[in-house]
Amino acid sequence: KAGVTQTPRYLIKTRGQQVTLSCSPISGHRSVSWYQQTPGQGLQFLFEYFSETQRNKGNFPGRFSGRQFSNSRSEMNVSTLELGDSALYLCASSLSGTSGATSYNEQFFGPGTRLTVL
Amino acid sequence: AQSVTQLGSHVSVSEGALVLLRCNYSSSVPPYLFWYVQYPNQGLQLLLKYTSAATLVKGINGFEAEFKKSETSFHLTKPSAHMSDAAEYFCAVSGSARQLTFGSGTQLTVLP
Repeated sequence: KAGVTQTPRYLIKTRGQQVTLSCSPISGHRSVSWYQQTPGQGLQFLFEYFSETQRNKGNFPGRFSGRQFSNSRSEMNVSTLELGDSALYLCASSLSGTSGATSYNEQFFGPGTRLTVL
Repeated sequence: AQSVTQLGSHVSVSEGALVLLRCNYSSSVPPYLFWYVQYPNQGLQLLLKYTSAATLVKGINGFEAEFKKSETSFHLTKPSAHMSDAAEYFCAVSGSARQLTFGSGTQLTVLP
């Protein structure tokens, strides 16, 4: 079974631009989560999508948004890029069954997209 | 709310020596705990998980961790370090909010 794929792997943008990152989950997985990893802040949760709906959101400004398609593929978008948005953006997928159920959330991570903002 | 604290941002061990990476958690609900490993320029790979079935959890590559509720700890161990174990290790907790909350990571160096 193929793993989580993310495209592109590397991206260079300038301040003020916007960017879209893509994530294809493992086949059969319906939940996709996004994380930002920086040397200063570590790994931080951005948001989670399940069945095309945002189910959970971290503490990031509205410039960060996402969506999920009917085939579970997900995109995240960052508008008006700032230097501090330079990071490794990781996508993770999980089976993640019934909404609200307390069940462990084993997530499988993609290789990430390295975004550099100049 | 859940949180994890990893003690020691850098740990060095000699090849063949015991690896011990420390993780303490805070959770208002019974936690699910994970250890992930990250190699340079790669994503996170799950080493092992605690989901309340057994307190001693065995994972891949010879790693194991023991859940100790009285100490709120979930330390990662490996009896004998190998050069290929050099990487960054993250402890994470998942509660009712489903999202993973990560510790700050521990960089493991294995000395020849």
